Amino acid sequence: DAKTTQPNSMESNEEEPVHLPCNHSTISGTDYIHWYRQLPSQGPEYVIHGLTSNVNNRMASLAIAEDRKSSTLILHRATLRDAAVYYCILRDFTNNLFFGTGTRLTVIP
Amino acid sequence: DSGVTQTPKHLITATGQRVTLRCSPRSGDLSVYWYQQSLDQGLQFLIQYYNGEERAKGNILERFSAQQFPDLHSELNLSSLELGDSALYFCASSPAPRDKGTEAFFGQGTRLTVV
Repeated sequence: DAKTTQPNSMESNEEEPVHLPCNHSTISGTDYIHWYRQLPSQGPEYVIHGLTSNVNNRMASLAIAEDRKSSTLILHRATLRDAAVYYCILRDFTNNLFFGTGTRLTVIP
Repeated sequence: DSGVTQTPKHLITATGQRVTLRCSPRSGDLSVYWYQQSLDQGLQFLIQYYNGEERAKGNILERFSAQQFPDLHSELNLSSLELGDSALYFCASSPAPRDKGTEAFFGQGTRLTVV
């Protein structure tokens, strides 16, 4: 399973943008970059995914570096409900999701 | 609501016992995944099934087994339970095993406490 590296924790003020980084220097050409988040006492929830191009959806944006060795999840306006652990995952040929330790995001009112 | 249903939500049992956790995937999803989340281990992939067949194994103990039935629901069987098996067990489903661009949907989990 391909590895990702994320900061253990980050803080953001409410209603400000948040940029959550992820390094995946060993990514292969066919690996998709997936982001999931886990709110307290809940199962993981899909956020966004991409392969090469930047992606936007109603929850977030995903910026992928040109060499694909890193990516950034962007929450445009953090709310208290965005406080969660965010996981950056490479989905490889096994199609399984191998979770790392993730980034715990704290949103400050 | 992800559409994935796990039962029971909570389970308390004694060491040495056997339990069965059940998962109903989203309608139409053929792949089912099982994960274990304990405080000190994070989310550990256990096993994947696709349309009734085992597709991949992760860190699943020999005391644990799973299966996926013709109606696509899945069961995770945990036997000879130990205190260290206390954890949250999550099930996830996704449409197909080979499309890496699809998302997986997770249930709310079963919290197992072994006393």
